[in-house]
Amino acid sequence: SQQGEEDPQALSIQEGENATMNCSYKTSINNLQWYRQNSGRGLVHLILIRSNEREKHSGRLRVTLDTSKKSSSLLITASRAADTASYFCATDGSGANSKLTFGKGITLSVRP
Amino acid sequence: EAGVAQSPRYKIIEKRQSVAFWCNPISGHATLYWYQQILGQGPKLLIQFQNNGVVDDSQLPKDRFSAERLKGVDSTLKIQPAKLEDSAVYLCASSFLAGGPGTQYFGPGTRLTVL
Repeated sequence: SQQGEEDPQALSIQEGENATMNCSYKTSINNLQWYRQNSGRGLVHLILIRSNEREKHSGRLRVTLDTSKKSSSLLITASRAADTASYFCATDGSGANSKLTFGKGITLSVRP
Repeated sequence: EAGVAQSPRYKIIEKRQSVAFWCNPISGHATLYWYQQILGQGPKLLIQFQNNGVVDDSQLPKDRFSAERLKGVDSTLKIQPAKLEDSAVYLCASSFLAGGPGTQYFGPGTRLTVL
């Protein structure tokens, strides 16, 4: 079964607006990652946040992690048409050689 | 730095036929992963190699799927015989660190259609 559950399933915003996507998970994690997938392409790693971190920034991206609520959010500020893609959160459990488990993803459409 | 290479990009076969996919990871990456991504879903791990040894193949349908990573570099994933439900994108990824997933780098994928 897939660990991460993203919310909403689809999001449509105007260029320049902020986009917030949420991810919830069920079991303890080592870290949580967000990936982007453009149509017909492979996934691109965006950001990794460790279980002992609460917030992380990378350019226009801001990720938060609340381990008590088992949830994470990805904020994209000042969105651009090029941000149109599917976004996935992926979690890995504790222990060596643990594997990444992906959610079903969120489809983000940014209208020019 | 060259990315993860995969071939072919697209493949159409009939059910019960065989198919093979090839992956060349980023140079120096110890860990290689094969994922299956069905339309509308996230990637599901099929098999993970560390160098040329299998770390996790718990979700690989071993009656029809096989994979190998000879010499700890390139890898092939084979399906024999294919079923309709195998229609999906097959993604290869690699990561530098051994032990724990860390950041994974994905190839463009092979889109398989089984008719």
